[in-house]
Amino acid sequence: GAGVSQSPSNKVTEKGKDVELRCDPISGHTALYWYRQSLGQGLEFLIYFQGNSAPDKSGLPSDRFSAERTGGSVSTLTIQRTQQEDSAVYLCASTLGSADTQYFGPGTRLTVL
Amino acid sequence: GQSLEQPSEVTAVEGAIVQINCTYQTSGFYGLSWYQQHDGGAPTFLSYNALDGLEETGRFSSFLSRSDSYGYLLLQELQMKDSASYFCAVRDLAGNMLTFGGGTRLMVKP
Repeated sequence: GAGVSQSPSNKVTEKGKDVELRCDPISGHTALYWYRQSLGQGLEFLIYFQGNSAPDKSGLPSDRFSAERTGGSVSTLTIQRTQQEDSAVYLCASTLGSADTQYFGPGTRLTVL
Repeated sequence: GQSLEQPSEVTAVEGAIVQINCTYQTSGFYGLSWYQQHDGGAPTFLSYNALDGLEETGRFSSFLSRSDSYGYLLLQELQMKDSASYFCAVRDLAGNMLTFGGGTRLMVKP
């Protein structure tokens, strides 16, 4: 089926505004991950969902960041009161079984002015 | 915790062979993965080593030595389209998340 999709592809916002980023994983994939990638840098883990288990939020950088996953499928990452340092590409990935083989979406490029 | 080190940049010529190294410090992990990312694109899975030794997939091979805390990605018969960033990653024993290295930017020249 289709791969992982993310929307919007680009988001420009003003400092202090809230933003919501969406991820549609591959159908049937039980695990979903959010990462952040700053320009020229590696991927920074943010949060992980597995089935109906409580999410692993250990990578969220502050309490301005939150995420939910409804119905075990679509996930939304919310950043409140955005700051300029939040500017990055936010990547979502899903996997059916092994976390070692993750399928990534195209990402959302967030720019906070 | 986990930390992975990779060279930031490697340059090679078309048709050549290049090796991208990854050294790591972990408290234990399942295996070493490699991902490729073209500029503006999403990371895509290349290979995975759960056991020591060499895994070959076409022009790409990956190697792991747990005793040396070291792995590498070998790209043969380089093509211009191989110009991209390459990331190594490990999944720790405690959780299911991947920790990525900083990435190696490979530039293939004619």
